[in-house]
Amino acid sequence: GENVEQHPSTLSVQEGDSAVIKCTYSDSASNYFPWYKQELGKGPQLIIDIRSNVGEKKDQRIAVTLNKTAKHFSLHITETQPEDSAVYFCAAGSGGSYIPTFGRGTSLIVHP
Amino acid sequence: DGGITQSPKYLFRKEGQNVTLSCEQNLNHDAMYWYRQDPGQGLRLIYYSQIVNDFQKGDIAEGYSVSREKKESFPLTVTSAQKNPTAFYLCASSGPGSLNEQYFGPGTRLTVT
Repeated sequence: GENVEQHPSTLSVQEGDSAVIKCTYSDSASNYFPWYKQELGKGPQLIIDIRSNVGEKKDQRIAVTLNKTAKHFSLHITETQPEDSAVYFCAAGSGGSYIPTFGRGTSLIVHP
Repeated sequence: DGGITQSPKYLFRKEGQNVTLSCEQNLNHDAMYWYRQDPGQGLRLIYYSQIVNDFQKGDIAEGYSVSREKKESFPLTVTSAQKNPTAFYLCASSGPGSLNEQYFGPGTRLTVT
């Protein structure tokens, strides 16, 4: 089955800096890679996703890149703000009977 | 207002009691999922259902049971056989129109003492 590794487990940055979270996956059949943001005591919310036919996707201050050859994908947050502080999860899976595998999460702390 | 609701937000039970967590969605999604979340462990799949009256075990199904009698509802029962039931439980759904995007509920924190 799929195995997703996520690094780092904790990331501390100053407000205005960039943050990068990286994930690797094992199953070359995976073709959908979402990123979720989870605030304390709440359910995860999708913030951006990418499919295997695209190498990069951007939405305002967040972007995701995908390298299918190397089987890794990354989340980039620019100009971080304190409200970006949360736990971020990556996931990987394939269409049809979609059962994603999640990384263990990265706790992002943005210091004002 | 479409979405997924989970109730209650907090649940307390004594050891040895079964407890049922509610999950309802009005997104008309076919697939529904239950995850367990522990600190530093990410989301682990307990059960999932891709159609009414059918469900499959996930990675950590032991000590849990589910039913899917209606499209909108996917309750999870934590039985007394679950050795370490205290955790944060998340329900999610996805549908063909969402291109596999999962929508999560707000979660239920279960504490068993």
